Amino acid sequence: DAGVIQSPRHEVTEMGQEVTLRCKPISGHNSLFWYRQTMMRGLELLIYFNNNVPIDDSGMPEDRFSAKMPNASFSTLKIQPSEPRDSAVYFCASSPGGVDTQYFGPGTRLTVL
Amino acid sequence: EDQVTQSPEALRLQEGESSSLNCSYTVSGLRGLFWYRQDPGKGPEFLFTLYSAGEEKEKERLKATLTKKESFLHITAPKPEDSATYLCAVQALVGGSQGNLIFGKGTKLSVKP
Repeated sequence: DAGVIQSPRHEVTEMGQEVTLRCKPISGHNSLFWYRQTMMRGLELLIYFNNNVPIDDSGMPEDRFSAKMPNASFSTLKIQPSEPRDSAVYFCASSPGGVDTQYFGPGTRLTVL
Repeated sequence: EDQVTQSPEALRLQEGESSSLNCSYTVSGLRGLFWYRQDPGKGPEFLFTLYSAGEEKEKERLKATLTKKESFLHITAPKPEDSATYLCAVQALVGGSQGNLIFGKGTKLSVKP
């Protein structure tokens, strides 16, 4: 099993640019999560999809962040425009259903200069 | 406000020196408590879920226990390969529904040979 796949693994961009992070969940999993991890705040949930429908986006910091899940095998997290304070590691996770037993991807390390 | 606090922030052990990591939580109603392991540069890896006070789970040298206010991750005779950051997360019951995972900031464990 390939596990959760994220791309790119590293992204360096300049302030004001658009950034798109991609995630392919484990086949057959119905729930998908986007998290952000920083030293200061730890691991924080940004948004949670169930059966491709956003269930909880209360963790999305502001309107600059958006997430989509057009089908069961693909999701994107977009930041437009990016700011230096968005620098973090972004993780995608999936689960067979609900919040239990989430399987995390390797993460995307984002640096905004 | 739901909160998870892990202690210590960092722990150094000699190989074979048993110890415990602590996760204390404040939540209106606990549905589940989760332990994850995170290696540098990787996403968190699921270890255990505990649902009720008194419950215990074991996996190799690790044993997780749960009380009404905290959880312990006991490490017996650790080996260098147990070195990692251990994350604790709680899932609350929100208005009768399942809440999202709230993560602590983790305990970084180093085991020296």
